Amino acid sequence: NAGVTQTPKFRVLKTGQSMTLLCAQDMNHEYMYWYRQDPGMGLRLIHYSVGEGTTAKGEVPDGYNVSRLKKQNFLLGLESAAPSQTSVYFCASRGDSRNQPQHFGDGTRLSIL
Amino acid sequence: AQSVTQPDIHITVSEGASLELRCNYSYGATPYLFWYVQSPGQGLQLLLKYFSGDTLVQGIKGFEAEFKRSQSSFNLRKPSVHWSDAAEYFCAVGAESGGGADGLTFGKGTHLIIQP
Repeated sequence: NAGVTQTPKFRVLKTGQSMTLLCAQDMNHEYMYWYRQDPGMGLRLIHYSVGEGTTAKGEVPDGYNVSRLKKQNFLLGLESAAPSQTSVYFCASRGDSRNQPQHFGDGTRLSIL
Repeated sequence: AQSVTQPDIHITVSEGASLELRCNYSYGATPYLFWYVQSPGQGLQLLLKYFSGDTLVQGIKGFEAEFKRSQSSFNLRKPSVHWSDAAEYFCAVGAESGGGADGLTFGKGTHLIIQP
């Protein structure tokens, strides 16, 4: 029962470097989400996708890009990392119905030096 | 826009005592409400959810929550806490636009400390 898998689990970057975070789900869910979690802020939505080939902006999209080329994968990219992007990133997925809960991965802890 | 307020940043409870974590929401339509728990270094685990019907909902690990529309609240309760309940607790509301596709709005969380 893999559910939602995020890779990598930890990463340290230097300012200006780029990287991609991968989220994979095996539940055949249409909807996928990327959140960031910062101390005292709860989780905030970065981008989301309502199906393969679609993406949309959330509450804090600046500095991030996403792609959903395959239904099971949702990629989050940082083109030029900044210290303000130091955070824990969570991916989640959800089935078709709005009253279904989101299932979360274990997170990626990212530090930008 | 929807919002969620968890008034208590930290709560300390003795093991075996009862617990209530507060959650207030602001939402224009019928809310879909959730409580999640996060242990250190882990992802979020769903405790319970409210969509419609009975306003008292039961969840996992002995938790329950009561939806009160008149008070815009969805407080989480447990009659007797265990040391393993120490964690961060998040209340969340389903987003309003796009048929609910565009994610959850979370409160800032309540950190629960259990005293022996």
